[in-house]
Amino acid sequence: NAGVTQTPKFQVLKTGQSMTLQCAQDMNHEYMSWYRQDPGMGLRLIHYSVGAGITDQGEVPNGYNVSRSTTEDFPLRLLSAAPSQTSVYFCASRPSGGGRQPQHFGDGTRLSIL
Amino acid sequence: AQKITQTQPGMFVQEKEAVTLDCTYDTSDQSYGLFWYKQPSSGEMIFLIYQGSYDEQNATEGRYSLNFQKARKSANLVISASQLGDSAMYFCAMRAISSGSARQLTFGSGTQLTVLP
Repeated sequence: NAGVTQTPKFQVLKTGQSMTLQCAQDMNHEYMSWYRQDPGMGLRLIHYSVGAGITDQGEVPNGYNVSRSTTEDFPLRLLSAAPSQTSVYFCASRPSGGGRQPQHFGDGTRLSIL
Repeated sequence: AQKITQTQPGMFVQEKEAVTLDCTYDTSDQSYGLFWYKQPSSGEMIFLIYQGSYDEQNATEGRYSLNFQKARKSANLVISASQLGDSAMYFCAMRAISSGSARQLTFGSGTQLTVLP
């Protein structure tokens, strides 16, 4: 069972560089989302999607772009990396409907911006 | 807007004892769900237990139970018979069910639980 797969697991970037964090799920879940985790702040929602072709902003969207061309994939793009984006990034998915359904999380990507 | 408050940054418990992790929430939604996740030092997020706002009984899952007090807007996690493997960060989270909101999770800041041998 692959579940939610995030790549890479670790990445170091220089300020101003761009990169894409990959997220793929094999559970045919409609809902996918990206969170960032910073010390003492829990997880905060960056962007989310309720289906292919549909995305929306979360609590902290600035500096990030997303797209959802397929049900399986939901990449997160950093356009011009800044030190403030140093964080651990989690991708999550869940089926639509039924509020009881928990979100399934990937193992996270630890990103450092120098 | 939703808000989750976890007032205990760190907790210690003796092995085999029970421990309660506090969680209070604020929401204007009438229908919502409350979740607890465990994050061990390895970093993954593990779903533990769910409580719906209209559930008549408190949720239980093995050694985990949820002390849900709707009028007080609290959803405390109780871990019975603590084990060394329970040492981890614990997050309380909520999600609106009925509103047109993001329907995504709002997290608290977490409680770091350490189980002592």
